[in-house]
Amino acid sequence: EAGVAQSPRYKIIEKRQSVAFWCNPISGHATLYWYQQILGQGPKLLIQFQNNGVVDDSQLPKDRFSAERLKGVDSTLKIQPAKLEDSAVYLCASSLWTGNPIIQETQYFGPGTRLLVL
Amino acid sequence: KNEVEQSPQNLTAQEGEFITINCSYSVGISALHWLQQHPGGGIVSLFMLSSGKKKHGRLIATINIQEKHSSLHITASHPRDSAVYICAVPPGTGNQFYFGTGTSLTVIP
Repeated sequence: EAGVAQSPRYKIIEKRQSVAFWCNPISGHATLYWYQQILGQGPKLLIQFQNNGVVDDSQLPKDRFSAERLKGVDSTLKIQPAKLEDSAVYLCASSLWTGNPIIQETQYFGPGTRLLVL
Repeated sequence: KNEVEQSPQNLTAQEGEFITINCSYSVGISALHWLQQHPGGGIVSLFMLSSGKKKHGRLIATINIQEKHSSLHITASHPRDSAVYICAVPPGTGNQFYFGTGTSLTVIP
């Protein structure tokens, strides 16, 4: 079974530039997550999709970050314009949806995209 | 205060040593996850447990729901175990997680 795919693996940009990350979840996984992991910290959830709908984007800095999952499969995360503090690893994860919010499904993580903003 | 606290933050061990990483949480949970993150960023799920103990190879995870505490043990540690180990708990419903800051383990040959 293919895992979660992300691209690019690395990106270096200057501040105020724009950048986009792509994620392809495991086939059949309805739930998709984007996390930001700053060096030395645990991952922070940015946005959670259920199919093509947003479940939670409360920690997404909406003035500069946007994400979409138009067809309920692949997803893109965009930063426009980037700031120095956006330097981090951006992780995409996916999981099955049981339909029962009490039952926790294992999340499968992609390799991450390492962003450096200069 | 973080919802999930891990200790220690950094750990260096000699090959063969028994290692314990601790996780305490303050939210009600239905399950707790232990994750392993190697340099390069990829995260692998090691365990998902809601009670008692689970074992996989040299890794053992335990949880005490009443005390809101979990431990990850590594027996006969090996340099390839060097990684960041992260404890993650959901807040009770849904599939969101609260993550600990991780324990960086280095096993020296």
